[in-house]
Amino acid sequence: DAKTTQPPSMDCAEGRAANLPCNHSTISGNEYVYWYRQIHSQGPQYIIHGLKNNETNEMASLIITEDRKSSTLILPHATLRDTAVYYCIVTGGYQKVTFGTGTKLQVIP
Amino acid sequence: NAGVTQTPKFRILKIGQSMTLQCAQDMNHNYMYWYRQDPGMGLKLIYYSVGAGITDKGEVPNGYNVSRSTTEDFPLRLELAAPSQTSVYFCASSYSMGDPRAQYFGPGTRLTVT
Repeated sequence: DAKTTQPPSMDCAEGRAANLPCNHSTISGNEYVYWYRQIHSQGPQYIIHGLKNNETNEMASLIITEDRKSSTLILPHATLRDTAVYYCIVTGGYQKVTFGTGTKLQVIP
Repeated sequence: NAGVTQTPKFRILKIGQSMTLQCAQDMNHNYMYWYRQDPGMGLKLIYYSVGAGITDKGEVPNGYNVSRSTTEDFPLRLELAAPSQTSVYFCASSYSMGDPRAQYFGPGTRLTVT
């Protein structure tokens, strides 16, 4: 699996967009970028994934740079319930994933 | 669908005791996984299975055993519990190889070994 680098923590004001960056400079051509989040003491929850195009779903948007070496997860209108640890993961078809320590997002009222 | 279920939710073991953590999924997923998460850390893969009867080691398999006799169930066995195995254990499942869809996680089992 390609290694990812994320900032350890970020703050975001409630109602504002939260932009969480991730560097994955060694990503290979067949590897996808996945984002998960883990709300305190719960199991990780899938958010979104992509290969090279930008993606959007009801939870978030994923922006992947053209060279695929970095990506940004965007929560358009952060709420207090979005306070969690966010993991950026890169993995290929064999499905083994490596969770790093992620970014702890604190949404501030 | 219940998704991925785990039992028990909490357990306290004495050093040297054994126990089995249960995991079941009703989504007909071929792939299943066991992770452990120590306080403040990310998840580490213990074992995984690509289908009934097939298992393989992850990053931290020592002290654990698994079996996969059915598609639905993937129990994790601790034979001689040690304080280093105090952790939260998550089971997960996913679609077959090559499908980029994500893993679904259970609620976790919080284990303390004293």
